[in-house]
Amino acid sequence: GQQLNQSPQSMFIQEGEDVSMNCTSSSIFNTWLWYKQDPGEGPVLLIALYKAGELTSNGRLTAQFGITRKDSFLNISASIPSDVGIYFCAGQLGTGNQFYFGTGTSLTVIP
Amino acid sequence: IAGITQAPTSQILAAGRRMTLRCTQDMRHNAMYWYRQDLGLGLRLIHYSNTAGTTGKGEVPDGYSVSRANTDDFPLTLASAVPSQTSVYFCASSEVAASNEQFFGPGTRLTVL
Repeated sequence: GQQLNQSPQSMFIQEGEDVSMNCTSSSIFNTWLWYKQDPGEGPVLLIALYKAGELTSNGRLTAQFGITRKDSFLNISASIPSDVGIYFCAGQLGTGNQFYFGTGTSLTVIP
Repeated sequence: IAGITQAPTSQILAAGRRMTLRCTQDMRHNAMYWYRQDLGLGLRLIHYSNTAGTTGKGEVPDGYSVSRANTDDFPLTLASAVPSQTSVYFCASSEVAASNEQFFGPGTRLTVL
């Protein structure tokens, strides 16, 4: 299967700080997605990206579809305690049902 | 509106036993999916269904079977569980097939001894 490399694996930051994480692949994807998973729950979609170079925001979250179509970035500005969770990237190769997920970035926000 | 429900929440199972994980959605979504989530590997697609009456294989289908007799239910069956099937299983649904707008259930934690 496809391997999506997500980094960093974990982050410990102070409340109010900005956060950056990224996801890279050896394959070209048509769609990039970013999810957040809270403990004991399923992932929730945060942002979807459909075009190379696209920059999309959702509140304090901003994600970008890399120009090469092999990477994507997620930034969180002015982090707050409820940002704690695991963030996953996911990519779709074509138009089929297969979405490939990254291994996740665990975010801890220290008040 | 419940969204997606999964049962059981968790289960400990002896190797060789048969087990069915249940998934029900009340959103009238056409497509449904089963993923497993393992540490260090993210989520991997097991099986999917684009619409009632049809199913397809995902990335890791071996050892699992699914059925889609109606729109709302998408059970996942392990015919003879093995320890490597210890994982957290998530069911998801989307309004249309291959949609990025997948809604996930709360998961089932399965341990096979």
